[in-house]
Amino acid sequence: GAVVSQHPSWVICKSGTSVKIECRSLDFQATTMFWYRQFPKQSLMLMATSNEGSKATYEQGVEKDKFLINHASLTLSTLTVTSAHPEDSSFYICSATRGGWNEQFFGPGTRLTVL
Amino acid sequence: GEDVEQSLFLSVREGDSSVINCTYTDSSSTYLYWYKQEPGAGLQLLTYIFSNMDMKQDQRLTVLLNKKDKHLSLRIADTQTGDSAIYFCAEYSNASKIIFGSGTRLSIQP
Repeated sequence: GAVVSQHPSWVICKSGTSVKIECRSLDFQATTMFWYRQFPKQSLMLMATSNEGSKATYEQGVEKDKFLINHASLTLSTLTVTSAHPEDSSFYICSATRGGWNEQFFGPGTRLTVL
Repeated sequence: GEDVEQSLFLSVREGDSSVINCTYTDSSSTYLYWYKQEPGAGLQLLTYIFSNMDMKQDQRLTVLLNKKDKHLSLRIADTQTGDSAIYFCAEYSNASKIIFGSGTRLSIQP
């Protein structure tokens, strides 16, 4: 149990377009989901924390108008990168908790390349 | 602030033991984790240890925690080629977040 999926697994888009990434908890209800960003050969940086039915909490330095997060149900959170630019190219990983925040289950990641 | 540090690379011979070290700064961390990331994939939780424990063993994995020095280590016995990956040390901070280290890339030599 505790499987988290992401879709798509990779996406290539033109500069200026918007891209939506989905994160789903497949076999449990996720009260909280997290979105991370990982640059090549670097660690995961927390972007935002998302609770079902409420606004996401963004980390310092993350533009909330640039990275729109929606957590409409207990099994789905989406991250939309608006007006994407090449510097937004990265590996985006989501995670979900089913109880305490100390145990997070990670998705396989989505690689975004902006041309 | 919270910080987790690890060495970037480790190379071991197949069959030997691998020891990956980590230091952290938040003395109030309640949980400390080791995650494994294979190329192009998400993170897999390998093991975790409560802050009131000194050691935890799980098959080939042994975690040692020195709370006084804020030092955590992961020992992989009988390292295999399938253990090649990036290993992230992480702490559950008092801000209810998981803070990750930079990751240690483990490579296995035949």
